[in-house]
Amino acid sequence: QLVLTQSPSASASLGASVKLTCTLNSGHSSYAIAWHQQQPEKGPRFLIKLNSDGSHKKGDGIPDRFSGSSSGAERYLTISSLQSEDEGDYYCQTWGTDIQGVFGSGTKVTVL
Amino acid sequence: EVQLVESGGGLVQPGGSLRLSCAASGFTFSGNWMHWVRQVPGKGLVWVSRINRDGSSTNYADSAKGRFTISRDNAKNTLYLQMNSLRVEDTAVYYCARVEYSSVWYIDYWGQGTLVTVSS
Repeated sequence: QLVLTQSPSASASLGASVKLTCTLNSGHSSYAIAWHQQQPEKGPRFLIKLNSDGSHKKGDGIPDRFSGSSSGAERYLTISSLQSEDEGDYYCQTWGTDIQGVFGSGTKVTVL
Repeated sequence: EVQLVESGGGLVQPGGSLRLSCAASGFTFSGNWMHWVRQVPGKGLVWVSRINRDGSSTNYADSAKGRFTISRDNAKNTLYLQMNSLRVEDTAVYYCARVEYSSVWYIDYWGQGTLVTVSS
């Protein structure tokens, strides 16, 4: 069964960078994933689709401050030049071979 | 501009039914698979169901099987979720989502959500 693991929280100062991690469980290290942002009291927004080789595709209008990278079973989302509006929850998402969508539990980002 | 607008949420008693709609615009609706995802307030995102381009193939999360039915009307650019035998634990914000495929199925656009509350 495909599982995506995320840390519950992350924080960094205004203007700094923060790197979020989404880990694929054993046997699924080649899977591509997508990152989604959910600001407080809003619906989710697609940020970036990230392949195992680090290649990626961003959503419409997503700033260059958001970037993705991969290493083994880990998929990363880096937010540079952190701004107050970047506060919120970040979810990774993929699709299992059992024909079920899968989401990580989300990482809450706080801007200090 | 791609837009997905859900409607049909509300308060319903346990055991009741509700039909959600999602009006799509700004893209060729019949060209994309579509999904429903839900979120209990304060909790994470959970996938519910998906439908292929012409409506001939559907899939459901175990929690939705036998109770929920996803469908679409490509002539009306509208996605539906018929929810029967509703339970208190179905209380959530329901989002419709457009999906693309490139190495993996992934959501590239979301609606703003509609709240379903199941309570007596």
